[in-house]
Amino acid sequence: DTEVTQTPKHLVMGMTNKKSLKCEQHMGHRAMYWYKQKAKKPPELMFVYSYEKLSINESVPSRFSPECPNSSLLNLHLHALQPEDSALYLCASSQDYLGQNYGYTFGSGTRLTVV
Amino acid sequence: GESVGLHLPTLSVQEGDNSIINCAYSNSASDYFIWYKQESGKGPQFIIDIRSNMDKRQGQRVTVLLNKTVKHLSLQIAATQPGDSAVYFCAETVPGTALIFGKGTTLSVSS
Repeated sequence: DTEVTQTPKHLVMGMTNKKSLKCEQHMGHRAMYWYKQKAKKPPELMFVYSYEKLSINESVPSRFSPECPNSSLLNLHLHALQPEDSALYLCASSQDYLGQNYGYTFGSGTRLTVV
Repeated sequence: GESVGLHLPTLSVQEGDNSIINCAYSNSASDYFIWYKQESGKGPQFIIDIRSNMDKRQGQRVTVLLNKTVKHLSLQIAATQPGDSAVYFCAETVPGTALIFGKGTTLSVSS
């Protein structure tokens, strides 16, 4: 299995809702990442997990809460989001920490719309 | 003379032409570079990478050139096909930091 799987592919949520994005990889990669991508922009880093521990938080608002239950799973819990949080949320994994030998493998993303 | 390092947000080519996509990177300490292809509705897909101790690397129909003097990276696609239509991003890493993406270039291939 050489893929990163993200669910759901699309999500529409209200500003008072609580929802979660899920990401799964079975490549034995030690690091996992959340990126946010607005339309026609490059992906921007949100969080980095290494061996299930949060190692980098790019000053992301607390309405985004990451969780890494085990080495294969990464979640992003969403609460009280704003319409400007609407974006494509990408999960990635890498064999080595920060992908400085082999880069990252990305999932197809979750297209989030906040109404 | 010919300009280098110009980033074009869009590039339109005919099928069969060679395409050159440019990227200027920001950090002289960056030591690993990757080109990603992103098709509509999908995540970025790895194309080719290069380390800072190299100036050229070739793959299947793709070549990456690195000019550290002017902090410039380019992706050359030979015999461009309609399936190559996508947004292309360069990405760089500095030791100890996560991957940073540059501005993308949208490649449109017409047949």
